[in-house]
Amino acid sequence: GQNIDQPTEMTATEGAIVQINCTYQTSGFNGLFWYQQHAGEAPTFLSYNVLDGLEEKGRFSSFLSRSKGYSYLLLKELQMKDSASYLCAALSGGYNKLIFGAGTRLAVHP
Amino acid sequence: EPEVTQTPSHQVTQMGQEVILRCVPISNHLYFYWYRQILGQKVEFLVSFYNNEISEKSEIFDDQFSVERPDGSNFTLKIRSTKLEDSAMYFCASSERSDGRDFTYEQYFGPGTRLTVT
Repeated sequence: GQNIDQPTEMTATEGAIVQINCTYQTSGFNGLFWYQQHAGEAPTFLSYNVLDGLEEKGRFSSFLSRSKGYSYLLLKELQMKDSASYLCAALSGGYNKLIFGAGTRLAVHP
Repeated sequence: EPEVTQTPSHQVTQMGQEVILRCVPISNHLYFYWYRQILGQKVEFLVSFYNNEISEKSEIFDDQFSVERPDGSNFTLKIRSTKLEDSAMYFCASSERSDGRDFTYEQYFGPGTRLTVT
């Protein structure tokens, strides 16, 4: 089966660092994506990992361990505008459909 | 920067009616997708489309659904006879993937069409 697990909610303080974890079990795994989604809007691409290791893109970094079925998204220097849902999604199958987790709602407080 | 566009942004329809949701993918992209998100739930894959045919579809994508790329730029999702449970945000996405040393898997999402079935 296909299963993506991530925490439902997290809170953090402005300026801090937060790590959002994701574990997955999917067939035909090709990579792991992270999207940001504000309420009522479309998912916005943040980062993806195909190979094991850390990918850094500005304030956002993502890590993947294929052997452990584990990824995390690291957000640094948190800003109030980072309050959103963060979606972990596995790229799966020959035509690369995305299998999404339920998302982690992050609330950033002053 | 190129982007995926979708029309309409909001569609209200009565149960049993047909709806067509429209998408214009990014012009040099090769792979096209429809996803849906019921309010408060996760994003779900519906169908992928490549080389003018369906490449993969989910269990949700039953005989009531169809997709077309009628003119080389538009990509449409048709629901033949809508049900209350079809109410959701429908997202179109596209990606460009090439075989060989360089490849990208990034899927870019359109802004979505909110479908409300009454």
